Amino acid sequence: NAGVMQNPRHLVRRRGQEARLRCSPMKGHSHVYWYRQLPEEGLKFMVYLQKENIIDESGMPKERFSAEFPKEGPSILRIQQVVRGDSAAYFCASSPEQSSYNEQFFGPGTRLTVL
Amino acid sequence: QKEVEQDPGPLSVPEGAIVSLNCTYSNSAFQYFMWYRQYSRKGPELLMYTYSSGNKEDGRFTAQVDKSSKYISLFIRDSQPSDSATYLCAMSELYSSASKIIFGSGTRLSIRP
Repeated sequence: NAGVMQNPRHLVRRRGQEARLRCSPMKGHSHVYWYRQLPEEGLKFMVYLQKENIIDESGMPKERFSAEFPKEGPSILRIQQVVRGDSAAYFCASSPEQSSYNEQFFGPGTRLTVL
Repeated sequence: QKEVEQDPGPLSVPEGAIVSLNCTYSNSAFQYFMWYRQYSRKGPELLMYTYSSGNKEDGRFTAQVDKSSKYISLFIRDSQPSDSATYLCAMSELYSSASKIIFGSGTRLSIRP
């Protein structure tokens, strides 16, 4: 049973470009979460999605950031017009529909570097 | 004030020592408490979880929650070099369904052989 998959693992963008980060949840999982980790800091919640629905986006910056989890295919975190401050590790986590406790399984992360 | 406060360390102890890691929190609505371990340049992995005050033991690891003081701890007995990692405390308001997790900033732990 493959774990949470994220790609690319490393992404380099110049200021002003777009970054697209992809996340495939574990098989059977229908909940996806995105977190951002700045250097030497803990993970900060960004957004929680179920298939075709955004459930909680309270941690998403108001501009340039968007996320989707379509009926088919991976979840996408999109950052438009990247700036140097967007450089961070972005982690995706997934959890099943029914769970007796709130366990989220994390992927290996995508490390975004903005030049 | 951050919702979850965690001493960033770094913490360096000799092999075999007992390690104590701690976090405090301010949100009384937190019901579910977790410890994650994160190796360098990897994703976090769940180490322990609990949703009530008291102790929970799993092998060399003991998680302790004191809701009245809003204080949680993780103890590692007989520490090993392979325990060297960053330990993140984490908590959420719900435990029976999916919800966002709030993380501490992490404590970097190094176990010296």
